[in-house]
Amino acid sequence: TQLLEQSPQFLSIQEGENLTVYCNSSSVFSSLQWYRQEPGEGPVLLVTVVTGGEVKKLKRLTFQFGDARKDSSLHITAAQPGDTGLYLCAGARDGQNFVFGPGTRLSVLP
Amino acid sequence: DAGITQSPRHKVTETGTPVTLRCHQTENHRYMYWYRQDPGHGLRLIHYSYGVKDTDKGEVSDGYSVSRSKTEDFLLTLESATSSQTSVYFCAISELYSEAFFGQGTRLTVV
Repeated sequence: TQLLEQSPQFLSIQEGENLTVYCNSSSVFSSLQWYRQEPGEGPVLLVTVVTGGEVKKLKRLTFQFGDARKDSSLHITAAQPGDTGLYLCAGARDGQNFVFGPGTRLSVLP
Repeated sequence: DAGITQSPRHKVTETGTPVTLRCHQTENHRYMYWYRQDPGHGLRLIHYSYGVKDTDKGEVSDGYSVSRSKTEDFLLTLESATSSQTSVYFCAISELYSEAFFGQGTRLTVV
């Protein structure tokens, strides 16, 4: 049983489209991180959200932490082929150990 | 890029043989982690270390042991490799309450 669920599992869209991916849990996390992983590489941190209801923007990426700190979303505006990758969310339980979701594999076609 | 080096990057080994993977950091970060990544499971924590000779188990520690005799090195050992341990292994480092930096991974195949 996954502590963190991510949806959709796979997503294939055309360049220029918008998309939202979700990260959900029944547990409360002290913080939540989003990572992007490209083939053959390790995950790279995109953002950390800490406060319930928090919204952070990183260029065309918008991250939101749920009010109850159990879920999060990542919205990408006008997706580009360079956004292609595996998006992982990770929740912090005890301040240092993170639990990762299974990821959403995004493919943006030119 | 954070200074994390994993070795080897690829390894094929036979069932029942011991295997050791190495993670080396140049960042002097206190925390080091070993994860395995499998399709549909994301990253699962095997073991982690919070200081020299201080280690603890993660959620999938059976069949694995670790050692950290120096700040910069964290070793993961499969005492007797099994096919279920075929996976991609990632090392990560961090400081308390901060982001994790990942190595490039080691692809291990047990035949």
